[in-house]
Amino acid sequence: EPEVTQTPSHQVTQMGQEVILRCVPISNHLYFYWYRQILGQKVEFLVSFYNNEISEKSEIFDDQFSVERPDGSNFTLKIRSTKLEDSAMYFCASRLVHERIDNEQFFGPGTRLTVL
Amino acid sequence: SQQGEEDPQALSIQEGENATMNCSYKTSINNLQWYRQNSGRGLVHLILIRSNEREKHSGRLRVTLDTSKKSSSLLITASRAADTASYFCATDARDNYGQNFVFGPGTRLSVLP
Repeated sequence: EPEVTQTPSHQVTQMGQEVILRCVPISNHLYFYWYRQILGQKVEFLVSFYNNEISEKSEIFDDQFSVERPDGSNFTLKIRSTKLEDSAMYFCASRLVHERIDNEQFFGPGTRLTVL
Repeated sequence: SQQGEEDPQALSIQEGENATMNCSYKTSINNLQWYRQNSGRGLVHLILIRSNEREKHSGRLRVTLDTSKKSSSLLITASRAADTASYFCATDARDNYGQNFVFGPGTRLSVLP
């Protein structure tokens, strides 16, 4: 069964460093998402991406964040200068269809980012 | 306004009992989905219920949706210790072009053997 994959599973970085989190969505899916979950808290939407551009972003997704689909398979989230509060689990998700009535999102296993 | 608020926040039951978790939301939705998350792990999709559906079953799971009350419930019957996890509802707002999900804070279910 096709699945969303994410690498690395755990990333440790120093405050102020840049990190790139990688995702490979399901191959024929059209919409891509990043969410984050601070430990013990709820899952929060960061950004959605469709047709090679951001379609929506939350207040969390400030200038320190960027997303890219550098090729036909990868979808990346870059944090330019990490802060302690960026420590969280980051989930990538993808969705096949455009119609809103059936938009099951498939989530990857997550990348745990620890900023020291 | 917040979408997808679950209650209770934590639920502890004995193996074999049924577990019911509730979710309330504020805006009109296209569908509502329930996810499960084992501690520190990824999100596993359990079930999707469309806005024009009232009830859906999948194995030991039963989900109801009441759009007039803007609420949903997830029932796990004959619970097992392996059902111990956090359960989240997620909604998409009807006028949300990007169609991202809004997750509630989750219900932490503990099933005791």
